[in-house]
Amino acid sequence: AQSVAQPEDQVNVAEGNPLTVKCTYSVSGNPYLFWYVQYPNRGLQFLLKYITGDNLVKGSYGFEAEFNKSQTSFHLKKPSALVSDSALYFCAVRDGGSQGNLIFGKGTKLSVKP
Amino acid sequence: NAGVTQTPKFRILKIGQSMTLQCTQDMNHNYMYWYRQDPGMGLKLIYYSVGAGITDKGEVPNGYNVSRSTTEDFPLRLELAAPSQTSVYFCASSYLGRNEKLFFGSGTQLSVL
Repeated sequence: AQSVAQPEDQVNVAEGNPLTVKCTYSVSGNPYLFWYVQYPNRGLQFLLKYITGDNLVKGSYGFEAEFNKSQTSFHLKKPSALVSDSALYFCAVRDGGSQGNLIFGKGTKLSVKP
Repeated sequence: NAGVTQTPKFRILKIGQSMTLQCTQDMNHNYMYWYRQDPGMGLKLIYYSVGAGITDKGEVPNGYNVSRSTTEDFPLRLELAAPSQTSVYFCASSYLGRNEKLFFGSGTQLSVL
């Protein structure tokens, strides 16, 4: 069975500082990893994904994530946070050998203060 | 381009009532999903479909049913509504593989009282 964990319920960052939102996963096969963002009262929007290739993945709005196979992690990062980045962030995973069974973490609330 | 359309946006049900949440997509995606979102619990997969005529259970399928008669439509049925089904429901669709990313609908807020 696959699973994904986001160990932090909330991350607080000052504007202009770097941010990291953590994600670890467990799958039996090759992991397909995703980050999505949810702004208040909105649906989820795709940020980035790792399927294969370079371990550092770049996505929308200046976000990036690093796939670390030995630590089974896929942390989301941004070099300089903006107040407008404040939102709920979800990590998701599926086993590359399965079809469609995409599992989400519980989410991490990012709060960026001016 | 409409994307993924969910109806209704809000609904209040009494215990034991039934209803269908509608979901349709116009992107010709093979894969469709239903998730529920509860505070602090993230998104839980209810059912998913890999194509017309094919559906499979996700993490929390009990109390729900789905069908996929066409590529575009993936309705979610609640037969006997219970308070535990109070939640926000999201439908999504995608391709798989290199172009894989989910497109989400705007959600249905359901209360069962």
